[in-house]
Amino acid sequence: NAGVTQTPKFQVLKTGQSMTLQCAQDMNHEYMSWYRQDPGMGLRLIHYSVGAGITDQGEVPNGYNVSRSTTEDFPLRLLSAAPSQTSVYFCASSYRTSGSNEQYFGPGTRLTVT
Amino acid sequence: AQSVTQPDIHITVSEGASLELRCNYSYGATPYLFWYVQSPGQGLQLLLKYFSGDTLVQGIKGFEAEFKRSQSSFNLRKPSVHWSDAAEYFCAVGPRSGTYKYIFGTGTRLKVLA
Repeated sequence: NAGVTQTPKFQVLKTGQSMTLQCAQDMNHEYMSWYRQDPGMGLRLIHYSVGAGITDQGEVPNGYNVSRSTTEDFPLRLLSAAPSQTSVYFCASSYRTSGSNEQYFGPGTRLTVT
Repeated sequence: AQSVTQPDIHITVSEGASLELRCNYSYGATPYLFWYVQSPGQGLQLLLKYFSGDTLVQGIKGFEAEFKRSQSSFNLRKPSVHWSDAAEYFCAVGPRSGTYKYIFGTGTRLKVLA
């Protein structure tokens, strides 16, 4: 199993550009989520999904869109990048939609918006 | 409001010394509790988790954590630290019901002196 994969590893955007961060998992996990990690702020939940076709907002959803058309994939879209979105982004998945299940994390995408 | 507090941003210990990382949570009911470790440039890896029962839980790499309901704490410990333990450590809570939103602390960065 590849686990949770994320592409790209690094990305530089100009303000106003759009892009999609890709996330895929091959563990047939129902639950998938996106976090951003900023110094001194830990991980903050952006969006999450409890299954194909079902998504919901986390703590910091503004400026980001998600969709979940398949169990495997959960892309994160930045429609108009802003410098405040400079961060490291992590995708995670877990087996079931229960808070008892550990999350498996991807290696992260480091995004810089200039 | 639900929150996880890790009061120590940085901790430095000598190799072979004991370690305790603090975690306090604020939650309506006892949540599921987790400790994750993040090595530089990597995603997060689960160290251990608490669901119920024995309040002292064992994890990987020789770590253990003790749940204290009266203090809303879940401190991580290791009797003898190795240089390879240098990393950032995150405490997290998962919901027992309702939303599927995990909450992470801001992290504690551990430095190990040779």
